[in-house]
Amino acid sequence: AQKITQTQPGMFVQEKEAVTLDCTYDTSDQSYGLFWYKQPSSGEMIFLIYQGSYDEQNATEGRYSLNFQKARKSANLVISASQLGDSAMYFCAMREGPGNQFYFGTGTSLTVIP
Amino acid sequence: DAMVIQNPRYQVTQFGKPVTLSCSQTLNHNVMYWYQQKSSQAPKLLFHYYDKDFNNEADTPDNFQSRRPNTSFCFLDIRSPGLGDAAMYLCATSWGQGVSETQYFGPGTRLLVL
Repeated sequence: AQKITQTQPGMFVQEKEAVTLDCTYDTSDQSYGLFWYKQPSSGEMIFLIYQGSYDEQNATEGRYSLNFQKARKSANLVISASQLGDSAMYFCAMREGPGNQFYFGTGTSLTVIP
Repeated sequence: DAMVIQNPRYQVTQFGKPVTLSCSQTLNHNVMYWYQQKSSQAPKLLFHYYDKDFNNEADTPDNFQSRRPNTSFCFLDIRSPGLGDAAMYLCATSWGQGVSETQYFGPGTRLLVL
């Protein structure tokens, strides 16, 4: 089974609108971390936001927030007030248990339309 | 600024000609990772070092080797590149391997095999 599932290969959003990128995960561990990365066409993976499995509050970082629904095993990224520079590939990732690798999803390509 | 640096950003090599990619970090992190990423795919972990301890992923081809001479530097050696090895190679670091440990990526090296 896939550890991380991103069901939206491509998304479009109008500039200044909000957009939600979906991510579901699969783990039987109680302790795990969830991460979102942005990868522009230049290739660099840029860390955006982190959510721990024991965190009760949804993580926020500027225009990024993580909608964490533990019972549904979902960790959706919400980008508010989209900008043209937000056009990129977005990867959801999970680390479960110390010493374990990151599991990446297949990514969602976001295009912001002027 | 503390960062992960990869050189060169673009590398062209010939089929079968050994090539070395380099990564350095000023974050003083214990763990360094090498990923291979092909077009429109998630990054695939090749191996990682926790300090001097080397960890090879089971499906990493023998053609790929790595060296970490000190905390700051890590090298990826491809002994006999094939056309299928053309990809983006990403180096990443983390302080440790706990579930909350974020991986920070370098800008990547795009390898072209002629």
